[in-house]
Amino acid sequence: GESVGLHLPTLSVQEGDNSIINCAYSNSASDYFIWYKQESGKGPQFIIDIRSNMDKRQGQRVTVLLNKTVKHLSLQIAATQPGDSAVYFCAETPGSNYKLTFGKGTLLTVNP
Amino acid sequence: EADIYQTPRYLVIGTGKKITLECSQTMGHDKMYWYQQDPGMELHLIHYSYGVNSTEKGDLSSESTVSRIRTEHFPLTLESARPSHTSQYLCASSEAQGGVQETQYFGPGTRLLVL
Repeated sequence: GESVGLHLPTLSVQEGDNSIINCAYSNSASDYFIWYKQESGKGPQFIIDIRSNMDKRQGQRVTVLLNKTVKHLSLQIAATQPGDSAVYFCAETPGSNYKLTFGKGTLLTVNP
Repeated sequence: EADIYQTPRYLVIGTGKKITLECSQTMGHDKMYWYQQDPGMELHLIHYSYGVNSTEKGDLSSESTVSRIRTEHFPLTLESARPSHTSQYLCASSEAQGGVQETQYFGPGTRLLVL
């Protein structure tokens, strides 16, 4: 069946480095993608989203890249900080009347 | 910051007890959702609602039930809790935007432990 998954379950980086978290999806009809950050003991927090008519979108210290050809999504975090340590989930949906499908999550650990 | 609230945050209860997990949002969102999440795992949709008096089952089968009598309130009930119900339950809401996919905003979650 259709699925959304992450290439790496864990990622450890040094403070100040850039982080790249990857996500693969299999539904070719996926139209909308979201990255969420979930800190320990909290609910997922929206980070950034992108629609299928875009290849790149930038936020504050974060960039999402979408490669529809290979069905790949990535989240880039610039100058990673200890506060960025969390589990990051990608989610996708084919459209507004469909539900979000979440990936398994990547645990990002930032070492001081 | 989304205004969506869940109570209780933590609940330890014995097998067979009836429990209700509360979820409220003050954003006037039409759509609300309940997810179940085990530690370190992905979120699984168990219930959703597209408006008052509308409830649907999600992708993951659940023995819980939900109701949507008011726009802002979407409680989840377990009639008889079992240890297999031990998990984190996350509530979310989003605003219907006439064909445009909208972002879901999450509450802090309720961690349930059934002994």
